[in-house]
Amino acid sequence: SQKIEQNSEALNIQEGKTATLTCNYTNYSPAYLQWYRQDPGRGPVFLLLIRENEKEKRKERLKVTFDTTLKQSLFHITASQPADSATYLCALGPRSGGYNKLIFGAGTRLAVHP
Amino acid sequence: NAGVTQTPKFRVLKTGQSMTLLCAQDMNHEYMYWYRQDPGMGLRLIHYSVGEGTTAKGEVPDGYNVSRLKKQNFLLGLESAAPSQTSVYFCASSTGDRAPFFGPGTRLTVL
Repeated sequence: SQKIEQNSEALNIQEGKTATLTCNYTNYSPAYLQWYRQDPGRGPVFLLLIRENEKEKRKERLKVTFDTTLKQSLFHITASQPADSATYLCALGPRSGGYNKLIFGAGTRLAVHP
Repeated sequence: NAGVTQTPKFRVLKTGQSMTLLCAQDMNHEYMYWYRQDPGMGLRLIHYSVGEGTTAKGEVPDGYNVSRLKKQNFLLGLESAAPSQTSVYFCASSTGDRAPFFGPGTRLTVL
């Protein structure tokens, strides 16, 4: 069965550094991949979508890469700030069907320290 | 514009009790979803709806029922709650070609 993995250990970094989060998957060939931010006690908020034919996507301080050979996506936050502290989820998008077939990872918690 | 709202925010049930979770959206979205989120696991889809009057099963539908009588509302029912249904429940809505917009969640504990 398909499997999606995100580092279950929290990532602790210093303010100003670049945070890099990893999303790996197996037994699946997604058409796209999404990243969400989730704050404690809140619902996930969509950040970025990258398609299988795109190597990289940027939005302000965020950068996502997608390597279909390695079956991996990397999510980067440059010049990180304490306000970036949250849990970040990745989700795999299907080749057919809609968003009802998204497969979510468990998320990685990021803590940015002043 | 409130987005997606969920009622209640918290609830404690005893095993065997029933309850209904209410989700409302004011964005005129066609698609609505119910997910559960458990520690160490990704969001799992319980049921979803592609329009008023329609519902379909997701990945983990057993023990739950849903109804979409009005476009803006999506109800999730637990007929006989079990401890395994202790979880955080998220409702979401979308236009179908955009990423889901999630509500704030309902934390349910079944004793």
